[in-house]
Amino acid sequence: QKEVEQDPGPLSVPEGAIVSLNCTYSNSAFQYFMWYRQYSRKGPELLMYTYSSGNKEDGRFTAQVDKSSKYISLFIRDSQPSDSATYLCAIREYGNKLVFGAGTILRVKS
Amino acid sequence: DAGVTQSPTHLIKTRGQQVTLRCSPKSGHDTVSWYQQALGQGPQFIFQYYEEEERQRGNFPDRFSGHQFPNYSSELNVNALLLGDSALYLCASSHSGGADEQYFGPGTRLTVT
Repeated sequence: QKEVEQDPGPLSVPEGAIVSLNCTYSNSAFQYFMWYRQYSRKGPELLMYTYSSGNKEDGRFTAQVDKSSKYISLFIRDSQPSDSATYLCAIREYGNKLVFGAGTILRVKS
Repeated sequence: DAGVTQSPTHLIKTRGQQVTLRCSPKSGHDTVSWYQQALGQGPQFIFQYYEEEERQRGNFPDRFSGHQFPNYSSELNVNALLLGDSALYLCASSHSGGADEQYFGPGTRLTVT
């Protein structure tokens, strides 16, 4: 079993839709959770950084962590064509290394 | 404020050769981590450098080695290149020994033929 599981998609939605991206993880001891956005042939860009359970909101983005079910989510409201990218969830393990999911490809159609 | 920079952008090497990739961290950051990202996959942790020492290593062979300089910049060296080493190599920098958010550079795309 992989430490972090993420559906690779692609996920295709119309402009203005609410997007839900999800990951599951295996180790209940993980405390720090991140979402990165990666455009084609670019480095990952940090979107959200959360600690423990709960929600965190930043503009159109909301990150949600449910430690009881080991499930993390990223919601994007009013999605735009410019949101089309690969979204990577990541978990910070002991010693500060990041463990990534495989990434979900999102396509927002105008 | 310059972000994380990496050089070169692209590189083509032949099997068996050696390669050196370079990274300059974001201003104010003292920790550099290296990741390998194969096509269609998430980044895989190679190792992390802090205070000029390798402090953590992922599941990569000894052919992968690194160095951190007093100005916090870093190099990744790969010896005896294999076709499977073809990937995007990403450098991430952070503050306080890596216990903070990690910010990535644009990556170096290595092709081994």
